[in-house]
Amino acid sequence: AQSVAQPEDQVKVAEGNPLTVKCTYSVSGNPYLFWYVQYPNRGLQFLLKYITGDNLVKGSYGFEAEFNKSQTSFHLKKPSALVSDSALYFCAVRWAGSGNTGKLIFGQGTTLQVKP
Amino acid sequence: ETGVTQSPTHLIKTRGQQVTLRCSSQSGHNTVSWYQQALGQGPQFIFQYYREEENGRGNFPPRFSGLQFPNYSSELNVNALELDDSALYLCASSLEGQPVETQYFGPGTRLLVL
Repeated sequence: AQSVAQPEDQVKVAEGNPLTVKCTYSVSGNPYLFWYVQYPNRGLQFLLKYITGDNLVKGSYGFEAEFNKSQTSFHLKKPSALVSDSALYFCAVRWAGSGNTGKLIFGQGTTLQVKP
Repeated sequence: ETGVTQSPTHLIKTRGQQVTLRCSSQSGHNTVSWYQQALGQGPQFIFQYYREEENGRGNFPPRFSGLQFPNYSSELNVNALELDDSALYLCASSLEGQPVETQYFGPGTRLLVL
């Protein structure tokens, strides 16, 4: 069965410091991996994706993620955190057999708190 | 903003009742997906509609049903509400055939079942 795990419920960093939000996955076949962010009272927003190619993918708002096949991980990173990055972050994998559709399996989410 | 709206924003129902949640998609978006996000959890895929037909379903019972209309609006209906149905319900719309990341999520409807 396909699944995504985010081992940390919360991550706290100081503004200006690098941040990492962890994600591990379990899929059959090649993984299609995504990161989304959710702000209060707003819908999920797409940040970045890994389909194939370079293991380091860059996305919106200065975020990047590193795909590691041997560790089945897809950690979200940012070199310098901003207070405005404080939000709920979700890792997701596309549901196998769903084709290029909107059927995603999400992790349980990690709350990022960036302190001034 | 995403151009996807949902109504109502909040709703309180009692166990056993029925509820209808609404989503208005971007013009031209002929695919809509619905997700249930329980408190402290990630969204779970309920089902997807394409051109007014159900096009895939997650692990949800038949009392969860949907409709999609030609004007790019859609509904999620839940019958015989249970306490565990309390959650944030999200809809997401996209153009069929486009990459999944191009789908736009609405802000959600928060349902509380008492």
